[in-house]
Amino acid sequence: AQKITQTQPGMFVQEKEAVTLDCTYDTSDQSYGLFWYKQPSSGEMIFLIYQGSYDEQNATEGRYSLNFQKARKSANLVISASQLGDSAMYFCAMREGNDRGSTLGRLYFGRGTQLTVWP
Amino acid sequence: DAMVIQNPRYQVTQFGKPVTLSCSQTLNHNVMYWYQQKSSQAPKLLFHYYDKDFNNEADTPDNFQSRRPNTSFCFLDIRSPGLGDAAMYLCATGDRSRDTQYFGPGTRLTVL
Repeated sequence: AQKITQTQPGMFVQEKEAVTLDCTYDTSDQSYGLFWYKQPSSGEMIFLIYQGSYDEQNATEGRYSLNFQKARKSANLVISASQLGDSAMYFCAMREGNDRGSTLGRLYFGRGTQLTVWP
Repeated sequence: DAMVIQNPRYQVTQFGKPVTLSCSQTLNHNVMYWYQQKSSQAPKLLFHYYDKDFNNEADTPDNFQSRRPNTSFCFLDIRSPGLGDAAMYLCATGDRSRDTQYFGPGTRLTVL
């Protein structure tokens, strides 16, 4: 079974509007971390936001927020006030592990969502 | 300032000709990772180092090797590249305090 599922291959949003990118995950671990990365056409993976499984508050980083619904195993990324520069591929990823804060575990990535922001 | 640096950004090699990709970091992170990302696919972990301890993914082909001579540098060696090895190769470092991985800009490998 896939660890990370991103069901939207492509999304379109008008500039200045908000957009939600979906992500669901599958794990039996109690401790895990969820990440969103942005990958522009240049190829670099840019870290956007992180949510720990024990974090009670939804993570926010500027225009990015993570809508974490633990019971539904979803970790949707919300981008507010979209900008043309937000056009990129967005990957949701998960790190499993019982050791909170461990970076030794691999990241499982979803297939990504290509976001296009139009004027 | 660049924190994870990969050289070269673009590499062209011939079928069967060994190639080495390099990664360096200024973050002093003790974990370094190599991922392979083929076109329109998610990144796939090849291996990682915790300090000098090497950890290979079970499905990483023997054709791929890695070296980490010190904390700052890590190399990916492809001994006999095949056409199927053409991909973007991403290096990342691990930060325990923020529990995330920071990626370099990647090296796009073309095999002729």
